[in-house]
Amino acid sequence: DIQMTQSPSSLSASVGDRVTITCQASQDISNYLNWYQQKPGKAPKLLIYDASNLETGVPSRFSGSGSGTDFTFTISSLQPEDIATYYCQQYDNLPPGSITFGQGTRLEIK
Amino acid sequence: QVTLKESGPVLVKPTETLTLTCTVSGFSLSNARMGVSWIRQPPGKALEWLAHIFSNDEKSYSTSLKSRLTISKDTSKSQVVLTMTNMDPVDTATYYCARLDSSGLFDYWGQGTLVTVSS
Repeated sequence: DIQMTQSPSSLSASVGDRVTITCQASQDISNYLNWYQQKPGKAPKLLIYDASNLETGVPSRFSGSGSGTDFTFTISSLQPEDIATYYCQQYDNLPPGSITFGQGTRLEIK
Repeated sequence: QVTLKESGPVLVKPTETLTLTCTVSGFSLSNARMGVSWIRQPPGKALEWLAHIFSNDEKSYSTSLKSRLTISKDTSKSQVVLTMTNMDPVDTATYYCARLDSSGLFDYWGQGTLVTVSS
């Protein structure tokens, strides 16, 4: 199974800061990597798909990059409403294939 | 409007079998390139993918839980059912169903249902 290593596990930043989260796959997954935002008590929300494509309606301050095994998620200017936990997710050989989530990054405001 | 809604027991006893139902609307379970997954999240912990099923009935299971899981669908009822056998307190979690595109993204999620395993 493909393992996803996400870091950091938690992050504290100020409003306006640039925030970066990384995700590393245990093997080459091309660009089969998505990013989600989860706020407390809510289901996750898709932000970025196929490593770098912004989901419709998602603010442009969110972006993603990478391919192969190393991926990066960036918030260019942190806003108070961005407080959440962020997850990467890989997919492999769909269908039927398999799916793995990263361990999550909890983002807090300083 | 696409919606998914989980239903099932809120409390199960250790060793019992859990049966969860995901009822979908706004799309058909026979749609090509679409599937439904089950994902769980223990309190305060990360998301864990459990299983998914596609329109052509292809299925996939988490390697670590494969022996305990069965996923099925009833297209006429717009329902996807997950059973998990031999429940343990560590299986206490919020269980989500989500629509899975064959390109690998979850674009719609249910609200989740909290299942507690306790005697």
